[in-house]
Amino acid sequence: GAGVSQSPSNKVTEKGKDVELRCDPISGHTALYWYRQSLGQGLEFLIYFQGNSAPDKSGLPSDRFSAERTGGSVSTLTIQRTQQEDSAVYLCASSLGTSVNTQYFGPGTRLTVL
Amino acid sequence: KQEVTQIPAALSVPEGENLVLNCSFTDSAIYNLQWFRQDPGKGLTSLLLIQSSQREQTSGRLNASLDKSSGRSTLYIAASQPGDSATYLCAVIGGGGGADGLTFGKGTHLIIQP
Repeated sequence: GAGVSQSPSNKVTEKGKDVELRCDPISGHTALYWYRQSLGQGLEFLIYFQGNSAPDKSGLPSDRFSAERTGGSVSTLTIQRTQQEDSAVYLCASSLGTSVNTQYFGPGTRLTVL
Repeated sequence: KQEVTQIPAALSVPEGENLVLNCSFTDSAIYNLQWFRQDPGKGLTSLLLIQSSQREQTSGRLNASLDKSSGRSTLYIAASQPGDSATYLCAVIGGGGGADGLTFGKGTHLIIQP
């Protein structure tokens, strides 16, 4: 079956612009996660959705970051007024449930802020 | 705050050797531990998941062990092949379950010499 998909695969933007990153989880997976992978920081957890419930936003790096999940499926991560330090690979993962289930990762979106 | 450490950071061995990658974590209150591989420019591929109540998991030439009380896991790769070359990441999910997301180590960069 289809895995986790993310779009776009690459995004180059100018500092100060807004960007939207999209994640399509595996069908039937209720849990969805966003992570960021940057050279100096390794892999960093950003936010988690369980179904349609309101997420815990405390892991988001700043208030310029927001995420939503519509209909318990597709999710978008929005970064407003991008900064150069936002440049990273943004990875999405999904799982059947929560703690006990394997997380399956998408290929990521490479964001470059000029 | 959970911290995950992986040793060594890099490893280069001849083809055919058996090898061990190490992972340690500071907070033993985990739900599970996952080992992933990441190929250059790609997303993460899940290799093995060990629940907190388990001691080990095996898949083909891979065996992962978990000693939760001491905060350690090892990934054993038997009869290594050049195709095993990748970065191997260890990650744990903590007592908060899915709301915490995975905490990753910085990985072991493995090169298998033909």
